[in-house]
Amino acid sequence: DAKTTQPTSMDCAEGRAANLPCNHSTISGNEYVYWYRQIHSQGPQYIIHGLKNNETNEMASLIITEDRKSSTLILPHATLRDTAVYYCIVRSRGYSSASKIIFGSGTRLSIRP
Amino acid sequence: ETGVTQTPRHLVMGMTNKKSLKCEQHLGHNAMYWYKQSAKKPLELMFVYNFKEQTENNSVPSRFSPECPNSSHLFLHLHTLQPEDSALYLCASSQDDDIVNTEAFFGQGTRLTVV
Repeated sequence: DAKTTQPTSMDCAEGRAANLPCNHSTISGNEYVYWYRQIHSQGPQYIIHGLKNNETNEMASLIITEDRKSSTLILPHATLRDTAVYYCIVRSRGYSSASKIIFGSGTRLSIRP
Repeated sequence: ETGVTQTPRHLVMGMTNKKSLKCEQHLGHNAMYWYKQSAKKPLELMFVYNFKEQTENNSVPSRFSPECPNSSHLFLHLHTLQPEDSALYLCASSQDDDIVNTEAFFGQGTRLTVV
């Protein structure tokens, strides 16, 4: 599966949009982009995923570039509870993908009051 | 509540003890995972089971022994651990077959301390 590159840390003011970038320049055509977050000492939580179209749900929006080599997770109105480590993962789907949920170092997002 | 339950939440054990971690999922998923997360480090994938068969062993020492009796239950048997094995152990499940795929759902983890 493709590797991802994320900034080590970011901060954002409460109430503003938090934009978290991810580079995945070696992504292949059948690989999806997934985002998870991990609040301190808890299990990771799924946020959103996409293939090539932009996606939005109640938690966030995912913008994927046309060449699919990078993406941005957007938290539209960040709150203090969004302070967490955010992980960008690329993986294929299907039976063989079950072994491919590999986490990198992620981005530590701090929301300041 | 994610549908993945891990017990115990906290465990302290001596290096000569034998203990087991338990994970149960109520989501009907076919794949289950063990991850280890040491302090200030990323999650490390340890084992993957798919339809009760082990499909991934990420060079894990034999003092960690997984068991998957059915698709809903996953155990991690521990024996003669070392202090450096102290970590948060996370279980996850997902549906990964050629028809349906879901994201991974994680339990809250077992915080293990080896003394």
